[in-house]
This record gives sequence, structure tokens and C-alpha cells, in this order.
Amino acid sequence: EVQLVQSGAEVKKPGESLKISCKGSGYSFTSYWIGWVRQMPGKGLEWMGIIYPGDSDTRYSPSFQGQVTISADKSISTAYLQWSSLKASDTAMYYCARNSIAARVHNWFDPWGQGTLVTVSS
Amino acid sequence: QLVLTQSPSASASLGASVKLTCTLSSGHSSYAIAWHQQQPEKGPRYLMKLNSDGSHSKGDGIPDRFSGSSSGAERYLTISSLQSEDEADYYCQTWGTGIYVVFGGGTKLTVL
Repeated sequence: EVQLVQSGAEVKKPGESLKISCKGSGYSFTSYWIGWVRQMPGKGLEWMGIIYPGDSDTRYSPSFQGQVTISADKSISTAYLQWSSLKASDTAMYYCARNSIAARVHNWFDPWGQGTLVTVSS
Repeated sequence: QLVLTQSPSASASLGASVKLTCTLSSGHSSYAIAWHQQQPEKGPRYLMKLNSDGSHSKGDGIPDRFSGSSSGAERYLTISSLQSEDEADYYCQTWGTGIYVVFGGGTKLTVL
């Protein structure tokens, strides 16, 4: 079974750093692009960026370029989303999701991770 | 600019059918989309990929009650024999060269 399992909920203060993870299993981790999606409280889905773990080729949404860093460690089949200095406005649920077709950057997400809730509050 | 437009809300009665719409922006009527379901307090789940000709491929375990169709720039998700667990947010997603991923604003479906 193809699965993406995300790290647990985090509570942080403004200015702190954070790295959340997404571990893939049941498929060839290096062969599929993995994306990150933000969902702010009560709002819709926003695409943040996407990475190809095979060679760490990464693309960012213009809205998130420079605000976050996406990376992957193929030795442990894990993708990451990190912040160097969190803001209260980063409070949201974050989902990882795998592209459906191997090696293709342009296609749909399937499956999704269960989500990681990040709360940033002083 | 590639944009997906969805109505914010829809409602239908238990056991009835409902048709949700996702509209592609001008010049993009040939694009395929995907439908995703997000039940309350859960992560999204892939439902189906829907092509411009109306052909579609559903995700594993998606009931036959869920079907897709297309007309011009509009992509539809029809849910028949509505059940209480179908009450959820439904998002459409598309993709394109240099754009990568676009989501619609989502439709909140209420089952009466």
C-alpha cells in the first residue's frame, strides 16, 4: 500500500525554526514528485512547492519562494518542509502529497499524507 | 492565467444526487482536472482524474456513486444516492507547464 506518513503536530513561537517530515512507503520513493500544500484555518488548499527525491529538483510556488525550504533524504524515503523563522501567519495544516505518475512533474496528487498541524503563537 | 472556479457551497438531500462544477479559465478548456474530497477534520482524498472528453479514472476504493463528466471548460463531479459521509469539501486540481499545481477554491457540500 502506498502511504505518506507525516510528523506530528508542532507548537512553536514566532521566530523559531521548524522542519516537518513526510515519509513515503510502498513505492519507489525516488521516482515520484512529492508536493506540499498549506491549508490555513477554515480555508482552501494552497500549493507551496514540489520536489523530485531522485535528484532533489525543486520547484516553488511564487507565493512561497523564499519563505520555506523543501528538501528530501532519499536514503530514508522522507521529504521535508522547513522554516527558518516562523510567523503567526504560518499557523496552518500542512499536507504532503505524491504525484500520481512516476517521474512526471505535471499531474495530480494521489495519495495524500494525513497532515501536520503547525501552530505558531507567542 | 490558469484558474479554477468552484461555487463555495452546495446542498442536497440524503439519497438524492448532486452535481458539483469546476470551471477552467478562458483558453484552458482542454485541461484535465482531478477531484479531491476532504471530509471534516480529515486530509484530502483523491477521487478521480477527469479529462476534457469526460473520460475519467477513479482512485482505489471510490464508490460507483461518484462519477465525472465534462462540457467545454466545465468539469463536473456527480454524486448519486447521497450518504451522510459525502458531506465534505470538494476541491478540483489542475496542472500545466510552468504552473505545476492549481486548486479551485473548494465547494462545501451539505447533505440535508
